[in-house]
Amino acid sequence: TQLLEQSPQFLSIQEGENLTVYCNSSSVFSSLQWYRQEPGEGPVLLVTVVTGGEVKKLKRLTFQFGDARKDSSLHITAAQPGDTGLYLCAGAGAGSYQLTFGKGTKLSVIP
Amino acid sequence: KAGVTQTPRYLIKTRGQQVTLSCSPISGHRSVSWYQQTPGQGLQFLFEYFSETQRNKGNFPGRFSGRQFSNSRSEMNVSTLELGDSALYLCASCLAGVRDTQYFGPGTRLTVL
Repeated sequence: TQLLEQSPQFLSIQEGENLTVYCNSSSVFSSLQWYRQEPGEGPVLLVTVVTGGEVKKLKRLTFQFGDARKDSSLHITAAQPGDTGLYLCAGAGAGSYQLTFGKGTKLSVIP
Repeated sequence: KAGVTQTPRYLIKTRGQQVTLSCSPISGHRSVSWYQQTPGQGLQFLFEYFSETQRNKGNFPGRFSGRQFSNSRSEMNVSTLELGDSALYLCASCLAGVRDTQYFGPGTRLTVL
């Protein structure tokens, strides 16, 4: 069974601070996705990374896939209140038809 | 393009009853996955359907079942409800598989009393 461990579970920061969320596993994933979920809604895909060592940037968000494709990180620069939400990582193993999700990081950005 | 829709949005049932949830995917999407989301366990995979065939099933008891129709709409059924089945049930659709962008519906909030 593939597992994804996310840390930290909760994060409360002031507007303008930087933060990093981690997603780790002992398993290799062929692709890894990051989602953001707001209350009362389903998760929305932010990015998909597929190549070991890959770095993708989405405005103030930077996503990195580990060289061994077992871990990933999400870095937010100068966090804003609009970044508040539940951040989820999800991985797919080779030949798999299912996504394995981490339990999420609940981020609160205080104005 | 209309998004993924789920009905009903909220549901209250009592122990022992059964429930059917519905998911209408984005037009053209042939894969539908179902997930259970709880505060303690996060999102857990239930099953995935593609062209009316179940391709994968998560580690849930047989009380949880699903199906997909020829128009790609999907239903999931939970029989003999237990208190622990209270959760947000999410469905996601995509073109063909997990490497495609998954589009989630808003979920059905099930409360079992």
